[in-house]
Amino acid sequence: GESVGLHLPTLSVQEGDNSIINCAYSNSASDYFIWYKQESGKGPQFIIDIRSNMDKRQGQRVTVLLNKTVKHLSLQIAATQPGDSAVYFCAEKGGNNRLAFGKGNQVVVIP
Amino acid sequence: GAGVSQSPSNKVTEKGKDVELRCDPISGHTALYWYRQSLGQGLEFLIYFQGNSAPDKSGLPSDRFSAERTGGSVSTLTIQRTQQEDSAVYLCASSLYQGEGYGYTFGSGTRLTVV
Repeated sequence: GESVGLHLPTLSVQEGDNSIINCAYSNSASDYFIWYKQESGKGPQFIIDIRSNMDKRQGQRVTVLLNKTVKHLSLQIAATQPGDSAVYFCAEKGGNNRLAFGKGNQVVVIP
Repeated sequence: GAGVSQSPSNKVTEKGKDVELRCDPISGHTALYWYRQSLGQGLEFLIYFQGNSAPDKSGLPSDRFSAERTGGSVSTLTIQRTQQEDSAVYLCASSLYQGEGYGYTFGSGTRLTVV
């Protein structure tokens, strides 16, 4: 079955440094991937997405990298700020037209 | 509305009682999803509505759980005879389900506590 998982449960990063969050997926047929950010007491918020015909996509301070060979997805956050403290989820869309989510990775920004 | 609205935001209920959770999706979004999130866990898929098609109920954990979507808009998730293990945050999301921007827009969730 589909499986989406994250390597590190918690990432502590100094304010101003770059953050990298990794995600492994198992469904090679997945064609669309999304990163979500969830702050305490709120629902997940869309950050950035990428289609399987791309290997990199940039947004404002965020970059998503997709390596289909090893089925790996990463989210890079540049110049991490205190407001970036949250849980980050990766999600993949497979053949059933709905998203499968990983367990999440807590990012803690140290001022 | 501007976003996905869920009510109530918090619900405390006694074991064995029934509860109803409501979701108002973004106007015009044809797809609606319910997920459950237990403490420190990822999102567990429950049910998916797409337009007038039969819902995908494959994620409902037991027959105590049911959901409906009236008029292609508002959805209600019902949990009968609640158990303590039903305690979780129940998240609703909607999407346009077409082309780019497939991503879901989530509500803030209903935190259900069964005591």
